[in-house]
Amino acid sequence: DTAVSQTPKYLVTQMGNDKSIKCEQNLGHDTMYWYKQDSKKFLKIMFSYNNKELIINETVPNRFSPKSPDKAHLNLHINSLELGDSAVYFCASSSRTGRLKNIQYFGAGTRLSVL
Amino acid sequence: GIQVEQSPPDLILQEGANSTLRCNFSDSVNNLQWFHQNPWGQLINLFYIPSGTKQNGRLSATTVATERYSLLYISSSQTTDSGVYFCALGFGNEKLTFGTGTRLTIIP
Repeated sequence: DTAVSQTPKYLVTQMGNDKSIKCEQNLGHDTMYWYKQDSKKFLKIMFSYNNKELIINETVPNRFSPKSPDKAHLNLHINSLELGDSAVYFCASSSRTGRLKNIQYFGAGTRLSVL
Repeated sequence: GIQVEQSPPDLILQEGANSTLRCNFSDSVNNLQWFHQNPWGQLINLFYIPSGTKQNGRLSATTVATERYSLLYISSSQTTDSGVYFCALGFGNEKLTFGTGTRLTIIP
């Protein structure tokens, strides 16, 4: 069973479209994240949720809207896609408690290409 | 914010060689992880090592928190070790700040 799963794996779309990426974790974690990896492989945090509550919102355009319906899911919706949004988006999760606390586990990534 | 510097940026080695990757950081942290991003883009957890030394097969890692650096050792390299190695740091389960990575290429 995949611990942190993202869908879709690849997303190719036109500029101006709206798209969503879904993330689910089956690890029982209470914290979930979205990271963005640019073309130079640099990874940076976008958002963090703990128990469905937004904890971190880095300097991200408000075209990006995360939604956490429950602790196991954190989805990312992007409005009015721009060329510069092309990147790989990674979902991650961790727990604040337990033997493996604070260790972040990453999904396989979603490669977004905006044409 | 935390500054994270990794060296070297690129490393090309023959199969069987050993290597040491370094991660320097600017502030005290209590969360430090090493990741391997394989050629397919997956981020694989290698170590959670805010301090001390750990070993897992051919890989080991040491973090000297008081001197703000961590080292990742890879012995007897194999072609499957190729990829980008990242260290990432933070506090508790807050965000991780990633270094710029070391790209390792193992030549058969």
